[in-house]
Amino acid sequence: DAKTTQPTSMDCAEGRAANLPCNHSTISGNEYVYWYRQIHSQGPQYIIHGLKNNETNEMASLIITEDRKSSTLILPHATLRDTAVYYCIAVNNAGNMLTFGGGTRLMVKP
Amino acid sequence: SAVISQKPSRDICQRGTSLTIQCQVDSQVTMMFWYRQQPGQSLTLIATANQGSEATYESGFVIDKFPISRPNLTFSTLTVSNMSPEDSSIYLCSVESQQETQYFGPGTRLLVL
Repeated sequence: DAKTTQPTSMDCAEGRAANLPCNHSTISGNEYVYWYRQIHSQGPQYIIHGLKNNETNEMASLIITEDRKSSTLILPHATLRDTAVYYCIAVNNAGNMLTFGGGTRLMVKP
Repeated sequence: SAVISQKPSRDICQRGTSLTIQCQVDSQVTMMFWYRQQPGQSLTLIATANQGSEATYESGFVIDKFPISRPNLTFSTLTVSNMSPEDSSIYLCSVESQQETQYFGPGTRLLVL
């Protein structure tokens, strides 16, 4: 699976959009981009995933660049409860295994 | 998404003892996985729990230390054997849905003294 690179930490003001970048420049054509988050000491929570088209669900939007070398997770109106570590993972669904990197620690501030 | 429960949610154990962690899912799933998250670290896959056959272990993890059972499509156990303080971690199970998305249980927080 391709390696992903994320900033170590980010801050966001409550009510504003949180834009979390992820670089996956070595991603292959059959690898999806998955996003999970982990709120302190809880199990990781699935957020969203995509292959090449932008995706949106009730939690977030995922914007994938045309060359698929990077993506951005957007939380449109961040709340204090969105404070968590966010993981971007590139995975070949046939391989099943998720390889977690260090993630981005998002701090939403009042 | 699947509903996953783990027992116990946390435990404090003495070194040299063993602890068995249970993972129960509310629907039949083909793929179940066990991860470890050491303090301040990210998640690391321990093994894939295969129904009806031996688990598949990742590099650095062995069956004698982390025996796994998978008696049916909704249940699995992970045993942490002959524990030492270095085994203090959060242990998480996950399952893969039919849509090939992994969902995680709440985790078991283990402290070994």
